[in-house]
Amino acid sequence: AQSVAQPEDQVNVAEGNPLTVKCTYSVSGNPYLFWYVQYPNRGLQFLLKYITGDNLVKGSYGFEAEFNKSQTSFHLKKPSALVSDSALYFCAVRDMEGTYKYIFGTGTRLKVLA
Amino acid sequence: DVKVTQSSRYLVKRTGEKVFLECVQDMDHENMFWYRQDPGLGLRLIYFSYDVKMKEKGDIPEGYSVSREKKERFSLILESASTNQTSMYLCASSWGTSASYNEQFFGPGTRLTVL
Repeated sequence: AQSVAQPEDQVNVAEGNPLTVKCTYSVSGNPYLFWYVQYPNRGLQFLLKYITGDNLVKGSYGFEAEFNKSQTSFHLKKPSALVSDSALYFCAVRDMEGTYKYIFGTGTRLKVLA
Repeated sequence: DVKVTQSSRYLVKRTGEKVFLECVQDMDHENMFWYRQDPGLGLRLIYFSYDVKMKEKGDIPEGYSVSREKKERFSLILESASTNQTSMYLCASSWGTSASYNEQFFGPGTRLTVL
């Protein structure tokens, strides 16, 4: 069965430092991977996706993600964190071999400290 | 900009009531989804629809039903609300076929409390 895991419930990082939010996946075919962000009392917003091609994907608000097939990971990164990046981040994978559902991780709360 | 709207931001209902949550999208998207979001559990798919009058069960459909009579509108129905259905409900839409790789657009959510 397809699945995605976010091993950290919370990540704390100082403003200006690089940040990484981790995601690993398990799929039986080619992975189609997504990152979303949720600000307080808001719905989810799309950040970026990996379908095929370059392993480094660039997205909104200066975020990027690195696809690593051998480690089955799709970690979200940003070179310099802002306090305004504090939010809940979700990784998702698309099930392309069955129902075509999107399967979400449990979320990682990012806290950027001033 | 794609806009997905949900009928209520906050809703309080009594146990046993029939509850309707409405979702409307304005970008002619083919696909629509209902999730519930609970702390520590992430998003769980309740129902989804890839076309008008079409519906598919997600991972947790028990106690829920849906209706999609028009392309832009996808309704979630709690037939007889129970306290364990207290949650944040998120509607989403996406364009393309069921097998496309397109991202979802989410509404702001409805926080439902069942007393």
